[in-house]
Amino acid sequence: GAVVSQHPSWVICKSGTSVKIECRSLDFQATTMFWYRQFPKQSLMLMATSNEGSKATYEQGVEKDKFLINHASLTLSTLTVTSAHPEDSSFYICSASPGTSGSLPYNEQFFGPGTRLTVL
Amino acid sequence: GNSVTQMEGPVTLSEEAFLTINCTYTATGYPSLFWYVQYPGEGLQLLLKATKADDKGSNKGFEATYRKETTSFHLEKGSVQVSDSAVYFCALTSSGGSYIPTFGRGTSLIVHP
Repeated sequence: GAVVSQHPSWVICKSGTSVKIECRSLDFQATTMFWYRQFPKQSLMLMATSNEGSKATYEQGVEKDKFLINHASLTLSTLTVTSAHPEDSSFYICSASPGTSGSLPYNEQFFGPGTRLTVL
Repeated sequence: GNSVTQMEGPVTLSEEAFLTINCTYTATGYPSLFWYVQYPGEGLQLLLKATKADDKGSNKGFEATYRKETTSFHLEKGSVQVSDSAVYFCALTSSGGSYIPTFGRGTSLIVHP
């Protein structure tokens, strides 16, 4: 149990286009989902926290108009990188937290496999 | 605030060598402690965890003991394999609150045949 998927696993796009990345919890309901960005050989940087049905909470320095997050259901969150530029190229990882309902550990996050974004 | 400090890498070992990756933390209350592993080009996988003092987490030959007196959670393995080559992240979540992990910077492990 506790599987999180991301789609696509990698994407290459032209500068100026928008890219949508999906994060799904496959076998549990995620009350909260998180989006991280990881630069080469560095740790994860939390970008935003999203709760189902409400607006995402962005970390300081993250442009909310640039990185649109929609947590439409308890199993799906999407990150849209709008008007992407080469500096947005990175590895984006989502995670999901089951919260206090269900049998999964409430204080644990389950990570997706990541999406490699390359902007030309 | 919370923080996690890991030893800097890369750690380079020969196959079957003993591994230790140090991790110390600063947190209020009684955090839960985690080790995640990231293989090249992949996301994070939970390797092991411990939720209270003196607990020992173990998985795939790796183990770590929650030491509250020294605020440490060092990762150990008695005999590493080439397939263990990856980046290892120590992390904690606070007791109470949003359970957003605080990550260490990661330690790269390279195991040579």
